[in-house]
Amino acid sequence: RKEVEQDPGPFNVPEGATVAFNCTYSNSASQSFFWYRQDCRKEPKLLMSVYSSGNEDGRFTAQLNRASQYISLLIRDSKLSDSATYLCVVTRLNTNAGKSTFGDGTTLTVKP
Amino acid sequence: NAGVTQTPKFQVLKTGQSMTLQCAQDMNHEYMSWYRQDPGMGLRLIHYSVGAGITDQGEVPNGYNVSRSTTEDFPLRLLSAAPSQTSVYFCASSYSMAGNQPQHFGDGTRLSIL
Repeated sequence: RKEVEQDPGPFNVPEGATVAFNCTYSNSASQSFFWYRQDCRKEPKLLMSVYSSGNEDGRFTAQLNRASQYISLLIRDSKLSDSATYLCVVTRLNTNAGKSTFGDGTTLTVKP
Repeated sequence: NAGVTQTPKFQVLKTGQSMTLQCAQDMNHEYMSWYRQDPGMGLRLIHYSVGAGITDQGEVPNGYNVSRSTTEDFPLRLLSAAPSQTSVYFCASSYSMAGNQPQHFGDGTRLSIL
């Protein structure tokens, strides 16, 4: 079993739709969680950190469920520009540094 | 504002050749790392460093060497290139070594081994 698992999709949604992605992680010692966005094999860019109490940034909402070991990303009012691959990242402290494990990504295509 | 700079952006090698991928950051970050990304997959950690003179192995270190002589630079060396090392390589840096701060990525190096 992979340490971080995501539904690869693809998710094809119309503009204006609400879409949600889940990401599960297997190591209960995981401490930090992030969502990154990656366009067409360009470099990943931070979308948002995920906090225990949940957090929102405009149309994007991230949630963390430690008991069930998953994080989620909700995108409201989807835009064409939201089309990308969304990477879930889970970090745990290991000996002298945090080690980040990336999910394989969920592909989103927003259509007119 | 350069951030993380990787060179070269593209490279084609023959099997058995060696080369060094360069990575430099100007944000005074202590933590730097190298990842590879294969088609349809997420990023896998090759090596990382928590400061000058300190490096450690990640998930897929075989066939690669790193060194960290300065805070700014973290080169990745392929010792004897193999077709299985064809991939996109990303260098990243972070303010915190604890993993609770996001990483900043370079543009990537697209490497093909023939």
